[in-house]
Amino acid sequence: GQNIDQPTEMTATEGAIVQINCTYQTSGFNGLFWYQQHAGEAPTFLSYNVLDGLEEKGRFSSFLSRSKGYSYLLLKELQMKDSASYLCAVRNTGGFKTIFGAGTRLFVKA
Amino acid sequence: DAGITQSPRHKVTETGTPVTLRCHQTENHRYMYWYRQDPGHGLRLIHYSYGVKDTDKGEVSDGYSVSRSKTEDFLLTLESATSSQTSVYFCATVSPGQGVDEQFFGPGTRLTVL
Repeated sequence: GQNIDQPTEMTATEGAIVQINCTYQTSGFNGLFWYQQHAGEAPTFLSYNVLDGLEEKGRFSSFLSRSKGYSYLLLKELQMKDSASYLCAVRNTGGFKTIFGAGTRLFVKA
Repeated sequence: DAGITQSPRHKVTETGTPVTLRCHQTENHRYMYWYRQDPGHGLRLIHYSYGVKDTDKGEVSDGYSVSRSKTEDFLLTLESATSSQTSVYFCATVSPGQGVDEQFFGPGTRLTVL
């Protein structure tokens, strides 16, 4: 079967660093995405990994290990506006279909 | 932004009535998707389209049908709505071959079936 696991909730302090983990088992792999979703809004694209390693984009970084079926999203210098859900998603090899995890709700406290 | 709109944004209907949700995009993206989002389940794919008149089922397609007669419009129909179809519905598009090929999402439609 296909499955993507990520923690349900996390809490972190403003200015700190937080790592959100994602493990996946899918029938095919053609890239891993992270999306951010604020409450009541649509998801928006954050990062993409298709090869092993770290991709950095400002305060956000994403890591992928295909052999381990593992990714993480690293958020540095947390701000209150980073309070949101973070969705891990894997694109299959056919039809540009994407499987989403249930999302991790991140609460940033002062 | 991919210029994606959804209509209606909110709808309350009764069990057994037909409902059609519309997704409209202005970017000429080839792929379009319908998802539903429920607490604890994340986004689940209902149907998707890879071109005009070309559609296929997703993981939760029972009770739903779709149509795409024009590139810009993708319609989702609930033939006879049930309370289990109460959810937030998101449309998304992809334009393959333009880089990362991330999905762009519409603002969502909140559907309540009483």
